[in-house]
Amino acid sequence: DTEVTQTPKHLVMGMTNKKSLKCEQHMGHRAMYWYKQKAKKPPELMFVYSYEKLSINESVPSRFSPECPNSSLLNLHLHALQPEDSALYLCASRSPGQGEKLFFGSGTQLSVL
Amino acid sequence: GENVEQHPSTLSVQEGDSAVIKCTYSDSASNYFPWYKQELGKRPQLIIDIRSNVGEKKDQRIAVTLNKTAKHFSLHITETQPEDSAVYFCAASRGGSSASKIIFGSGTRLSIRP
Repeated sequence: DTEVTQTPKHLVMGMTNKKSLKCEQHMGHRAMYWYKQKAKKPPELMFVYSYEKLSINESVPSRFSPECPNSSLLNLHLHALQPEDSALYLCASRSPGQGEKLFFGSGTQLSVL
Repeated sequence: GENVEQHPSTLSVQEGDSAVIKCTYSDSASNYFPWYKQELGKRPQLIIDIRSNVGEKKDQRIAVTLNKTAKHFSLHITETQPEDSAVYFCAASRGGSSASKIIFGSGTRLSIRP
């Protein structure tokens, strides 16, 4: 299995809603990433987990809350988002054993109304 | 902080011609340089990568060159085809840890004219 699976593929939420994005990989990778991508822009790093511990937080607002329940799962909890948070949210995983290659999921397209 | 600059932002070439995209990086400790292709509405896909102990790498019509001294690296696509039309991102990373940052360039929108 060489896939990173993200759910849902699309999400529309109001500014008062609470929702979660989910990411799963079964490649045995021990590093998992969240990126945010706005239209016509590069992926922008948000968080990195290494061995289920948060190792990098790129000064992301607290309305985004990551969670890594185990080595295969990565969640991003969303609360009180703003319309400008609308974007494609990409999960990725990586392992030195794979030549440091970063494997992306297909993303969740998020719209905040 | 780490920064990766990429140019041009848009590139249009005739089918069959070559395309070249260039990047520079600021972190001298970077030693892993992947290139990603992203088609509209899809995920970024790794197309080729190079490590700092290698100056050039080729995979069929795609090649990447690295100049560590100048902190430059480039993507070369030869005999371009319509399916090469996409946005291409370069990136740079410190190696040695699977949890290191991978920082992306701003992207190049490549269009292949028939």
